[in-house]
Amino acid sequence: AQKVTQAQTEISVVEKEDVTLDCVYETRDTTYYLFWYKQPPSGELVFLIRRNSFDEQNEISGRYSWNFQKSTSSFNFTITASQVVDSAVYFCALSSGGGFKTIFGAGTRLFVKA
Amino acid sequence: EAQVTQNPRYLITVTGKKLTVTCSQNMNHEYMSWYRQDPGLGLRQIYYSMNVEVTDKGDVPEGYKVSRKEKRNFPLILESPSPNQTSLYFCASSLSWQLVHNGELFFGEGSRLTVL
Repeated sequence: AQKVTQAQTEISVVEKEDVTLDCVYETRDTTYYLFWYKQPPSGELVFLIRRNSFDEQNEISGRYSWNFQKSTSSFNFTITASQVVDSAVYFCALSSGGGFKTIFGAGTRLFVKA
Repeated sequence: EAQVTQNPRYLITVTGKKLTVTCSQNMNHEYMSWYRQDPGLGLRQIYYSMNVEVTDKGDVPEGYKVSRKEKRNFPLILESPSPNQTSLYFCASSLSWQLVHNGELFFGEGSRLTVL
């Protein structure tokens, strides 16, 4: 069975703080893909990043960074020096077993206060 | 502009009154999918289609129907809506089902449905 767990329902930080959003996944497949999506207050879903199961390199994109660890089945997302515009719901997702389905976590709502 | 368009964006209806939420994409994508978003549950897949005339159930297909007669359109049909189908619905598309792995899912803006 495939599962994505985002244990943090809501996180509130003050602007310029660093914040890490946790994502733990479960799958029996050896080939799988992990994603993060952002849903700002306007409601649309925006793709942020993907990782395949064979690439454990961490990635940095501006203030965003992702830490993929197969040993702990985690794919955590860190925002450095958070800004008010980062306030959104963030979803972690998993695709495996043929790729027809993408399983989403419940989401973490991030509030960044000025 | 490349986009996935859903209509209506907002709808309030009553139990049992059939409704259709349309989804259209202009990117010549093969793969299309419907999700519903509920608080605390994230997005759950309702149905997906790998290409014209090929559809399959996702994780929560009960109470829904879909059709894929043309590549660009993938309507979601609620034959007899019930209050537990009150939700935010998203349509998504991808160039091909293989690219679903690559995260190339393009989402519509969402349709908020309320069933009284």
